[in-house]
Amino acid sequence: EAQVTQNPRYLITVTGKKLTVTCSQNMNHEYMSWYRQDPGLGLRQIYYSMNVEVTDKGDVPEGYKVSRKEKRNFPLILESPSPNQTSLYFCASSNDRGYEQYFGPGTRLTVT
Amino acid sequence: AQSVSQHNHHVILSEAASLELGCNYSYGGTVNLFWYVQYPGQHLQLLLKYFSGDPLVKGIKGFEAEFIKSKFSFNLRKPSVQWSDTAEYFCAVNAFTSGTYKYIFGTGTRLKVLA
Repeated sequence: EAQVTQNPRYLITVTGKKLTVTCSQNMNHEYMSWYRQDPGLGLRQIYYSMNVEVTDKGDVPEGYKVSRKEKRNFPLILESPSPNQTSLYFCASSNDRGYEQYFGPGTRLTVT
Repeated sequence: AQSVSQHNHHVILSEAASLELGCNYSYGGTVNLFWYVQYPGQHLQLLLKYFSGDPLVKGIKGFEAEFIKSKFSFNLRKPSVQWSDTAEYFCAVNAFTSGTYKYIFGTGTRLKVLA
């Protein structure tokens, strides 16, 4: 089954404790992206990757890092999480930059 | 800066009522347009998309959208909503700008359909 998976689905952590949210897709898609969803703000793009070792900032990259060492994986790293990063995070992939995206199930992160 | 506006933040309808959700974008070049739906507790799923050709596009579950280039609009419609259409709907635009593709989402419209 074609899908985008994310782990963990729920995470509660404390300020400053490094964390990684994993994202994996099995569709051989080149384009992958991370979004955060906040009430009233819709989805905002954090980072995206057009292929292995090619990443770029989205609209809200501050406080986040990504890497793309393999085509299928695109982890999101929070080196020092802060409460304003409490949000719902979605990973997405597509087979081309202009095409529709397939979304993962989301990761609800709470930073206290 | 490019943006996508969804004017209706919350919509409440009774079953069988007609639906129209507005979406306007600000970008003068070529765009790909999408509507996504997010059912409660679920991830976003594609409803329909427009790349080129017939400006009236049909999607899943009886939804359709019309691209009006002169108005920079891509409104979503459904003639008769069902309780199961209760969800949040997002309009999105993909545009080539500043040497790269940008995917921009609207802020979403929460639809509640009363049985």
